[in-house]
Amino acid sequence: NAGVMQNPRHLVRRRGQEARLRCSPVKGHSHVYWYRQLPEEGLKFMVYLQKENIIDESGMPKERFSAEFPKEGPSILRIQQVVRGDSAAYFCASSPTAVFNTEAFFGQGTRLTVV
Amino acid sequence: DQQVKQNSPSLSVQEGRISILNCDYTNSMFDYFLWYKKYPAEGPTFLISISSIKDKNEDGRFTVFLNKSAKHLSLHIVPSQPGDSAVYFCAASPKNYGGATNKLIFGTGTLLAVQP
Repeated sequence: NAGVMQNPRHLVRRRGQEARLRCSPVKGHSHVYWYRQLPEEGLKFMVYLQKENIIDESGMPKERFSAEFPKEGPSILRIQQVVRGDSAAYFCASSPTAVFNTEAFFGQGTRLTVV
Repeated sequence: DQQVKQNSPSLSVQEGRISILNCDYTNSMFDYFLWYKKYPAEGPTFLISISSIKDKNEDGRFTVFLNKSAKHLSLHIVPSQPGDSAVYFCAASPKNYGGATNKLIFGTGTLLAVQP
């Protein structure tokens, strides 16, 4: 998938714990997107970030979820006090411009399981 | 509110025949459409796209057709190969100010199985 690295690939958390998902975009890409895929559903947009800025978080739940893309280092999606309904595959994508088109690439995803 | 719909959760096709995957959308403001292919435990990979100003785009064995009046697009794969077996997602991009867009609306996917 053209270099978008997500880790961990699998994450198991007990209810109430925190989950941190990391995404390193393709080198040179400064635009990062997070999507979530619940079981039996398509991918749903969560948040779009540029370096140090949240541009669009219209798909992010209002509570417990946060995202950042610092000047240095990977983008982080943080879920506090996880619940069973947070169990899903979380995909990160990056692109070189603000347009999500053919030059955007997805990572392999982090599969979060809340037990 | 499902703005992009893939009504067939699965499709089975014989190797060498044509696979036709369908997608319907409700928002007339969508101006760019993409198809992604996804294998289990992997991220979606881009397959082919089409702008709303066109009605057809072809790339090798893959052709996407867009019918704006019906708000319908389809992906044709011919000839189908066993390696094409995967989940196929249709995605639409809403037009923003200035034409740039930064998020996709995905359908629920169609699982294609190509039988040898």
